[in-house]
Parts: sequence; structure tokens; C-alpha cells
Amino acid sequence: QVQLQESGPGLVKPSETLSLTCTVSGGSISNYYWSWIRQPPGKGLEWIGYIYYSGSTNYNPSLKSRVTISVDTPKNQFSLKLSSVTAADTAVYYCARRGWLMNYYYYMDVWGKGTTVTVSS
Amino acid sequence: DIQMTQSPSSLSASVGDRVTITCRASQSISSYLNWYQQKPGKAPKLLIYAASSLQSGVPSRFSGSGSGTDFTLTISSLQPEDFATYYCQQSYNTPRTFGQGTKVEVK
Repeated sequence: QVQLQESGPGLVKPSETLSLTCTVSGGSISNYYWSWIRQPPGKGLEWIGYIYYSGSTNYNPSLKSRVTISVDTPKNQFSLKLSSVTAADTAVYYCARRGWLMNYYYYMDVWGKGTTVTVSS
Repeated sequence: DIQMTQSPSSLSASVGDRVTITCRASQSISSYLNWYQQKPGKAPKLLIYAASSLQSGVPSRFSGSGSGTDFTLTISSLQPEDFATYYCQQSYNTPRTFGQGTKVEVK
């Protein structure tokens, strides 16, 4: 079955760029939308954005000026870049697949285990 | 953005209890509502999508209902493995938004 694995630095300095990659295994990245979600320590879930395998994107307006999500179809990977980070960006970052029903009910049905990113000097 | 509000924020229950969690949207979202379960240190797991459809592999003691602005997740008979935090999430539009979570604890 499809599995997702996040990877990237666990520590990022303030004002620098956070970069994470999600590797899709057990299935193709094609024909799906792929999301990033984060969870600050002890808090709830925040949707960051998603990308279609063809490259079209949709970002949370609260982060849009700092976020870039890209896809590498041959490698079966998609990536997140978040620029100008602050301590408020410290969180567990999850990647997830967007499933669908009847082409208009959407949900995140496969999740990575998450990776913790701490923003600190 | 559509605000999702869950109640209660936490509840205490015993094994075998019937548990009900409510989620309210700040505007009508039809049936574009999903429920997730999250255990400490783990990723969220999809339980219910489209308000009432049970995800494959999820026990039938979980059920969802509602449409418009008011939704409910029900656990018919709480099991030891069900102690967790539950989140609702709307997929009516972007940005996708989640409720603040409901923590189900041992009584």
C-alpha cells in the first residue's frame, strides 16, 4: 500500500528556509493531490497547501507569501519550502495524500509519520 | 476562512460508553466534512469522510452524521484503543480548516 515518508533538517535557524521532502512509496504520485499539514507542539492541525502531480498548487493564504510546494514526478517526491521562518513555525510537519469520492468529496487518506522541525538559533 | 468549532474540547469516558463529539462550521459546508483520530506521537488517521462515509478498515462503532453547519461523530461503544484526540476538517473550500480537537480521556 502507499506509504509516505517526510525527510529534512530537524533544526532550522530563524530567518532561514525550511525545506522538507515527502517520498511516496508503494504507488505512483500521478493522478493525486498531495498536501502538507503542520502541528505546533500541543496544538491543532494547520493545512499548509497542496500540489497536483502536474504541478498546480493551492496554498493557505496565511502562509502563501512564504510557501512553495513543488513536485518531482520521476522521483515520486514532493517538497515544501517555507522561507523566513520564526519560532512560530516550530511544528511537526506531515505530508498526506488527498483522496476523493465522486470527484468532489476530498479527504486526506494517507499520511506520513511526520517530522519535527524546530526553529532556533 | 471557514471556522470549525468542536465541543467539548475534552471529555472523560469509560470503556463501553457511547461518546458523541460535535463539530460546527461557521457557514454551511453541505457534507464536506471529515473526521480524524490522532494518538500521541502519531499522524492523524482518517475515520469518516463526506460526513458519514466510513473509511475502509475503520471499525463500525464509529459513525458520522450531519450536514450544513452541524456534524456529529459517534463512538457507539468506546474501546481502549479509542482514547485519542479527534479532529473535524472541512473540505468545502480552501484553505482547509480543522476543528481545535476533542480529547477523549479515561474516566
